[in-house]
Amino acid sequence: GAVVSQHPSWVICKSGTSVKIECRSLDFQATTMFWYRQFPKQSLMLMATSNEGSKATYEQGVEKDKFLINHASLTLSTLTVTSAHPEDSSFYICSARGGAVGGTEAFFGQGTRLTVV
Amino acid sequence: DAKTTQPPSMDCAEGRAANLPCNHSTISGNEYVYWYRQIHSQGPQYIIHGLKNNETNEMASLIITEDRKSSTLILPHATLRDTAVYYCIVRVGAADMGRRALTFGSGTRLQVQP
Repeated sequence: GAVVSQHPSWVICKSGTSVKIECRSLDFQATTMFWYRQFPKQSLMLMATSNEGSKATYEQGVEKDKFLINHASLTLSTLTVTSAHPEDSSFYICSARGGAVGGTEAFFGQGTRLTVV
Repeated sequence: DAKTTQPPSMDCAEGRAANLPCNHSTISGNEYVYWYRQIHSQGPQYIIHGLKNNETNEMASLIITEDRKSSTLILPHATLRDTAVYYCIVRVGAADMGRRALTFGSGTRLQVQP
């Protein structure tokens, strides 16, 4: 099946710094990617929809200036957590389904665990 | 997307079949039933989906009732590696998968016991 890869798998950063998370579709082109956040013992919550070549669409309550999303190519979307604080510590997951792929399911990256100290 | 209801947790003995139920009484005629699972500290993994017929693949079987108001995911021979949270998701048309995100509920936490 199609593969979505995230990098890094985990990251620890100091409060006030920025962290970039990459999401790549390895064997298909993804015009749309989705970014989720998951806190401990909770379900996945959609943060934003990343559209290739245009601005991302953010869910209500998600600060677009804090969570910068760039989808510059059909195989790469990045999420940058700016001025990270401890409350941003979470499990971040991306998802994609390329328009050219024959399958009907969405594929997910392995997730990135962010810890802000 | 139609709302789904799943039990919060289930246990299953290793080697036995795991039957995970899902209620979706408000499902519409053009909505599919999807199942994903999330093993601890990993991203969700697609398992199976169906519209109205029962489906089977190498991972599991999906049984959808005739009125489509409920379904059951069956893992025929559960192993310890099947311990995960299983999500039942109902949404319209496969072609829409690329444009709208999946909405995850609380899922069922399946614990496979040795």
